[in-house]
Amino acid sequence: ETGVTQTPRHLVMGMTNKKSLKCEQHLGHNAMYWYKQSAKKPLELMFVYSLEERVENNSVPSRFSPECPNSSHLFLHLHTLQPEDSALYLCASSQELTPLDSPLHFGNGTRLTVT
Amino acid sequence: RKEVEQDPGPFNVPEGATVAFNCTYSNSASQSFFWYRQDCRKEPKLLMSVYSSGNEDGRFTAQLNRASQYISLLIRDSKLSDSATYLCVVVGAGGGNKLTFGTGTQLKVEL
Repeated sequence: ETGVTQTPRHLVMGMTNKKSLKCEQHLGHNAMYWYKQSAKKPLELMFVYSLEERVENNSVPSRFSPECPNSSHLFLHLHTLQPEDSALYLCASSQELTPLDSPLHFGNGTRLTVT
Repeated sequence: RKEVEQDPGPFNVPEGATVAFNCTYSNSASQSFFWYRQDCRKEPKLLMSVYSSGNEDGRFTAQLNRASQYISLLIRDSKLSDSATYLCVVVGAGGGNKLTFGTGTQLKVEL
């Protein structure tokens, strides 16, 4: 059983919709991440939060808006997405921000399809 | 040159075979290295860290070659359940402390 849970598992939305992805970690970790995984491409880091503070925004379009209300929860708010945004969105957490000895624990992902 | 590069495969091997794949990285200052495993339609999970002296965990052996800038994963006595995509992760490939993922190598173990 994963210590990082994501909802929903699947999401189909139109380009004009607004939806949110939710992530919750039960591991007491201090850092949380959003990754995008598209077919045939490596995982792309989108956002990083450390102790609820955003520490990295990897040139992600503004139609993706993260929110971290506390160290256990992370949201990704979506609006006016494009079909090329269809992908698997993975949340992850780690004990500390520095990844040298702090492996990532991933949630099971939200498979997003934009129509 | 890509920061982290893997042969996408697939590697199709019979059960019981030994298989190895490599992952090359471009930044000689890269600091830490990991192998993650991702099953079909599932999330990645840490398989093992890669230490300078090499490390072994059961049937799995990971090695680092800093001179040639690659890491390797060797799987002995392959099982059907080893079928998955193996992701190489390098810390510092793009500079700093950032994790960079490879595209993954797909392994299919067959009867």
